[in-house]
Amino acid sequence: DSGVTQTPKHLITATGQRVTLRCSPRSGDLSVYWYQQSLDQGLQFLIQYYNGEERAKGNILERFSAQQFPDLHSELNLSSLELGDSALYFCASSPEGVGANVLTFGAGSRLTVL
Amino acid sequence: DAKTTQPTSMDCAEGRAANLPCNHSTISGNEYVYWYRQIHSQGPQYIIHGLKNNETNEMASLIITEDRKSSTLILPHATLRDTAVYYCIVRVASDSNYQLIWGAGTKLIIKP
Repeated sequence: DSGVTQTPKHLITATGQRVTLRCSPRSGDLSVYWYQQSLDQGLQFLIQYYNGEERAKGNILERFSAQQFPDLHSELNLSSLELGDSALYFCASSPEGVGANVLTFGAGSRLTVL
Repeated sequence: DAKTTQPTSMDCAEGRAANLPCNHSTISGNEYVYWYRQIHSQGPQYIIHGLKNNETNEMASLIITEDRKSSTLILPHATLRDTAVYYCIVRVASDSNYQLIWGAGTKLIIKP
């Protein structure tokens, strides 16, 4: 157990639907990162939050949004889902906001869009 | 785009040292090299990182060439549980923050 908790582990939904993925960072970590990994692909950085504020943005689609709450957990919202959004979504956390890239990853949420 | 180039796959015998090469010829002076691994769709796991000097921890050693254009991750005594995809990553500065740019990695298979 890495200390980063992601729910749900698996999710199957239909095109056009909306889902929310949840992440609880490791205790004491202030930064949360979201990554997408499509089948047999590398990790694509989506977005980073630090202590409730957006810190960096990667290749995140406009249909996707995220936030980090005062208790530091984070949610990734995916809307108007398409087949191509099927992927593993990883959350990671780290203690600091800048310069710290020793990330602790969760086990991931596997999204299947039918 | 990833700033690193790695072999697509490698084999290593159990008990032997696994040496994973990485080229990062365009690396800048203040950019660190990080290594992570991912075991069969699990969350990636941090292994080690370095800037100029060689580094060693309980998992692995990192050897960085003097010109910093390449590095090698060494797993001293590979076990079957080391079978994974190994990512060599350069940390780049971006808008007053730093980002890890992930490539495709090397699939390392440890054989009995």
